Amino acid sequence: EAGVAQSPRYKIIEKRQSVAFWCNPISGHATLYWYQQILGQGPKLLIQFQNNGVVDDSQLPKDRFSAERLKGVDSTLKIQPAKLEDSAVYLCASSLSPLGLESYNEQFFGPGTRLTVL
Amino acid sequence: AQTVTQSQPEMSVQEAETVTLSCTYDTSESDYYLFWYKQPPSRQMILVIRQEAYKQQNATENRFSVNFQKAAKSFSLKISDSQLGDAAMYFCAYRSARGAQKLVFGQGTRLTINP
Repeated sequence: EAGVAQSPRYKIIEKRQSVAFWCNPISGHATLYWYQQILGQGPKLLIQFQNNGVVDDSQLPKDRFSAERLKGVDSTLKIQPAKLEDSAVYLCASSLSPLGLESYNEQFFGPGTRLTVL
Repeated sequence: AQTVTQSQPEMSVQEAETVTLSCTYDTSESDYYLFWYKQPPSRQMILVIRQEAYKQQNATENRFSVNFQKAAKSFSLKISDSQLGDAAMYFCAYRSARGAQKLVFGQGTRLTINP
Protein backbone atom coordinates (compact mmCIF):
# COMPACT_ATOMS: atom_id res chain seq x y z
CA GLU A 1 0.00 0.00 0.00
CA ALA A 2 1.44 3.35 -1.04
CA GLY A 3 1.94 5.89 1.74
CA VAL A 4 1.11 9.57 1.93
CA ALA A 5 2.91 11.43 -0.84
CA GLN A 6 4.06 15.02 -0.61
CA SER A 7 5.87 17.35 -2.97
CA PRO A 8 8.15 19.12 -3.16
CA ARG A 9 10.48 17.80 -0.44
CA TYR A 10 12.32 21.09 -0.18
CA LYS A 11 11.49 24.66 -1.14
CA ILE A 12 13.43 27.89 -0.72
CA ILE A 13 11.73 31.22 -1.43
CA GLU A 14 12.14 34.90 -0.67
CA LYS A 15 9.78 36.58 1.77
CA ARG A 16 6.63 37.97 0.18
CA GLN A 17 6.71 35.27 -2.51
CA SER A 18 4.03 32.62 -2.77
CA VAL A 19 4.44 28.85 -2.48
CA ALA A 20 2.24 25.78 -2.76
CA PHE A 21 2.56 22.28 -1.34
CA TRP A 22 0.81 19.19 -2.59
CA CYS A 23 -0.35 16.10 -0.71
CA ASN A 24 -1.83 12.85 -1.95
CA PRO A 25 -3.24 10.77 0.92
CA ILE A 26 -3.47 7.01 1.15
CA SER A 27 -6.18 5.75 -1.17
CA GLY A 28 -9.57 5.61 0.51
CA HIS A 29 -8.64 7.80 3.47
CA ALA A 30 -11.43 10.25 4.17
CA THR A 31 -9.59 12.55 6.56
CA LEU A 32 -6.60 14.68 5.63
CA TYR A 33 -4.52 16.88 7.93
CA TRP A 34 -1.90 19.58 7.38
CA TYR A 35 0.52 20.19 10.25
CA GLN A 36 3.19 22.87 10.59
CA GLN A 37 6.38 21.89 12.43
CA ILE A 38 8.68 24.76 13.30
CA LEU A 39 12.27 23.75 14.06
CA GLY A 40 12.60 22.48 17.61
CA GLN A 41 8.85 22.14 18.17
CA GLY A 42 6.19 19.50 17.78
CA PRO A 43 3.80 19.63 14.84
CA LYS A 44 0.77 21.91 15.10
CA LEU A 45 -2.45 21.29 13.17
CA LEU A 46 -3.20 23.92 10.55
CA ILE A 47 -6.27 22.42 8.89
CA GLN A 48 -8.26 19.19 8.85
CA PHE A 49 -10.47 18.01 5.99
CA GLN A 50 -13.20 15.39 6.05
CA ASN A 51 -13.58 14.40 2.39
CA ASN A 52 -13.65 17.85 0.75
CA GLY A 53 -15.08 19.76 3.70
CA VAL A 54 -13.11 21.64 6.37
CA VAL A 55 -13.47 20.27 9.90
CA ASP A 56 -10.98 22.45 11.78
CA ASP A 57 -9.00 25.42 10.52
CA SER A 58 -8.87 27.35 13.79
CA GLN A 59 -5.07 27.63 13.73
CA LEU A 60 -4.69 28.45 10.05
CA PRO A 61 -3.47 32.06 9.47
CA LYS A 62 -6.19 32.78 6.97
CA ASP A 63 -4.79 36.12 5.87
CA ARG A 64 -1.93 34.31 4.14
CA PHE A 65 -2.60 30.56 4.21
CA SER A 66 -5.20 28.72 2.19
CA ALA A 67 -5.90 25.07 1.54
CA GLU A 68 -8.25 23.06 -0.58
CA ARG A 69 -9.13 19.45 -1.13
CA LEU A 70 -11.05 19.33 -4.34
CA LYS A 71 -12.84 16.04 -5.06
CA GLY A 72 -11.94 14.83 -1.57
CA VAL A 73 -8.65 13.26 -2.60
CA ASP A 74 -5.42 15.22 -2.89
CA SER A 75 -4.89 18.59 -1.29
CA THR A 76 -2.93 21.79 -1.81
CA LEU A 77 -1.69 24.17 0.89
CA LYS A 78 -0.72 27.66 -0.24
CA ILE A 79 1.10 30.53 1.44
CA GLN A 80 0.81 34.01 -0.05
CA PRO A 81 2.73 36.12 0.82
CA ALA A 82 5.30 34.16 2.82
CA LYS A 83 6.96 35.54 5.94
CA LEU A 84 10.23 34.57 7.59
CA GLU A 85 8.34 32.87 10.42
CA ASP A 86 6.69 30.48 7.93
CA SER A 87 9.99 28.58 7.67
CA ALA A 88 9.05 25.10 8.85
CA VAL A 89 8.33 21.55 7.80
CA TYR A 90 4.80 21.07 6.51
CA LEU A 91 3.50 17.59 7.20
CA CYS A 92 0.48 16.01 5.59
CA ALA A 93 -1.30 13.08 7.23
CA SER A 94 -4.36 10.99 6.46
CA SER A 95 -6.62 8.60 8.31
CA LEU A 96 -9.24 6.12 7.21
CA SER A 97 -12.48 6.53 9.11
CA PRO A 98 -14.83 9.47 9.02
CA LEU A 99 -15.67 11.66 11.97
CA GLY A 100 -18.20 10.51 14.49
CA LEU A 101 -16.83 7.03 14.88
CA GLU A 102 -15.40 6.74 18.34
CA SER A 103 -12.77 4.34 17.25
CA TYR A 104 -9.08 4.53 16.87
CA ASN A 105 -7.96 5.87 13.51
CA GLU A 106 -4.25 5.90 12.98
CA GLN A 107 -2.87 8.93 11.22
CA PHE A 108 -0.28 8.13 8.58
CA PHE A 109 2.23 10.87 7.84
CA GLY A 110 3.98 11.86 4.67
CA PRO A 111 7.68 12.79 4.49
CA GLY A 112 6.96 16.51 4.76
CA THR A 113 8.06 19.58 2.83
CA ARG A 114 10.82 21.70 4.33
CA LEU A 115 10.19 25.37 3.56
CA THR A 116 12.89 27.99 4.00
CA VAL A 117 11.89 31.65 3.66
CA LEU A 118 14.80 34.04 3.16
CA ALA B 1 -7.56 23.11 25.43
CA GLN B 2 -5.34 20.12 25.81
CA THR B 3 -1.60 20.53 26.27
CA VAL B 4 1.29 18.07 26.18
CA THR B 5 4.63 18.71 27.88
CA GLN B 6 7.93 16.92 27.38
CA SER B 7 10.42 18.25 29.89
CA GLN B 8 13.51 16.51 28.49
CA PRO B 9 14.79 18.27 25.35
CA GLU B 10 17.60 15.70 24.99
CA MET B 11 18.40 12.28 26.35
CA SER B 12 21.23 9.86 25.68
CA VAL B 13 21.72 6.19 26.44
CA GLN B 14 24.32 3.53 25.86
CA GLU B 15 23.50 0.93 23.26
CA ALA B 16 21.69 -2.08 24.80
CA GLU B 17 20.70 -0.08 27.88
CA THR B 18 17.23 1.11 28.90
CA VAL B 19 15.98 4.68 28.69
CA THR B 20 12.75 6.36 29.78
CA LEU B 21 11.27 9.44 28.13
CA SER B 22 8.79 11.53 30.12
CA CYS B 23 5.53 13.15 29.08
CA THR B 24 2.76 14.89 30.98
CA TYR B 25 -0.50 16.20 29.60
CA ASP B 26 -3.44 18.27 30.66
CA THR B 27 -7.05 17.56 29.74
CA SER B 28 -10.52 17.66 31.23
CA GLU B 29 -11.70 14.77 29.07
CA SER B 30 -12.01 11.20 30.26
CA ASP B 31 -11.78 9.43 26.90
CA TYR B 32 -8.71 9.97 24.81
CA TYR B 33 -5.69 8.36 23.21
CA LEU B 34 -2.01 8.92 23.87
CA PHE B 35 0.79 8.20 21.44
CA TRP B 36 4.52 8.17 21.09
CA TYR B 37 5.85 9.02 17.64
CA LYS B 38 9.40 8.69 16.37
CA GLN B 39 10.76 11.19 13.85
CA PRO B 40 14.13 10.27 12.32
CA PRO B 41 16.14 12.75 10.22
CA SER B 42 14.03 11.74 7.22
CA ARG B 43 11.23 13.71 8.94
CA GLN B 44 8.60 11.00 8.54
CA MET B 45 6.54 10.54 11.68
CA ILE B 46 6.36 6.89 12.68
CA LEU B 47 3.91 5.63 15.28
CA VAL B 48 5.75 3.77 18.03
CA ILE B 49 3.00 2.93 20.49
CA ARG B 50 -0.48 4.04 21.54
CA GLN B 51 -2.52 3.85 24.72
CA GLU B 52 -6.28 4.09 25.14
CA ALA B 53 -7.19 6.03 28.27
CA TYR B 54 -9.92 3.55 29.25
CA LYS B 55 -7.42 0.71 29.44
CA GLN B 56 -5.60 0.24 32.72
CA GLN B 57 -3.04 -2.12 31.23
CA ASN B 58 0.07 -0.41 29.92
CA ALA B 59 0.70 -0.86 26.20
CA THR B 60 3.78 -2.73 24.98
CA GLU B 61 5.27 -3.18 21.53
CA ASN B 62 8.36 -5.37 21.51
CA ARG B 63 11.13 -3.28 23.15
CA PHE B 64 8.82 -0.31 23.72
CA SER B 65 6.48 0.02 26.66
CA VAL B 66 4.64 2.82 28.40
CA ASN B 67 3.86 3.73 31.99
CA PHE B 68 0.41 5.33 31.88
CA GLN B 69 -0.67 7.06 35.06
CA LYS B 70 -4.12 8.52 34.31
CA ALA B 71 -4.65 10.28 37.63
CA ALA B 72 -1.24 11.91 37.43
CA LYS B 73 -1.68 12.61 33.70
CA SER B 74 1.67 11.07 33.00
CA PHE B 75 2.67 8.93 30.02
CA SER B 76 6.30 7.83 29.83
CA LEU B 77 7.99 5.68 27.19
CA LYS B 78 10.53 3.02 28.10
CA ILE B 79 12.88 1.72 25.44
CA SER B 80 14.66 -1.48 26.40
CA ASP B 81 17.81 -2.86 24.78
CA SER B 82 18.39 0.44 22.95
CA GLN B 83 19.63 0.13 19.39
CA LEU B 84 21.45 2.61 17.16
CA GLY B 85 18.34 2.78 14.97
CA ASP B 86 16.33 4.15 17.87
CA ALA B 87 18.15 7.49 17.61
CA ALA B 88 15.55 10.11 16.63
CA MET B 89 13.22 12.79 17.93
CA TYR B 90 10.42 11.34 20.00
CA PHE B 91 7.10 13.12 20.34
CA CYS B 92 4.35 12.45 22.81
CA ALA B 93 0.87 13.23 21.44
CA TYR B 94 -2.71 13.43 22.67
CA ARG B 95 -5.94 12.90 20.77
CA SER B 96 -9.50 13.19 21.94
CA ALA B 97 -11.64 10.09 21.45
CA ARG B 98 -14.53 12.20 20.19
CA GLY B 99 -15.05 14.94 17.70
CA ALA B 100 -12.19 16.28 15.61
CA GLN B 101 -9.26 13.94 15.72
CA LYS B 102 -6.32 16.29 15.61
CA LEU B 103 -3.14 15.31 17.39
CA VAL B 104 -1.70 17.66 20.01
CA PHE B 105 2.05 17.17 20.23
CA GLY B 106 4.65 17.88 22.87
CA GLN B 107 7.90 19.68 22.11
CA GLY B 108 9.85 16.50 21.54
CA THR B 109 12.88 14.74 23.06
CA ARG B 110 16.00 14.11 21.02
CA LEU B 111 17.33 10.64 21.82
CA THR B 112 20.97 9.81 21.14
CA ILE B 113 22.29 6.26 21.30
CA ASN B 114 25.96 5.92 22.22
CA PRO B 115 27.71 2.86 20.77
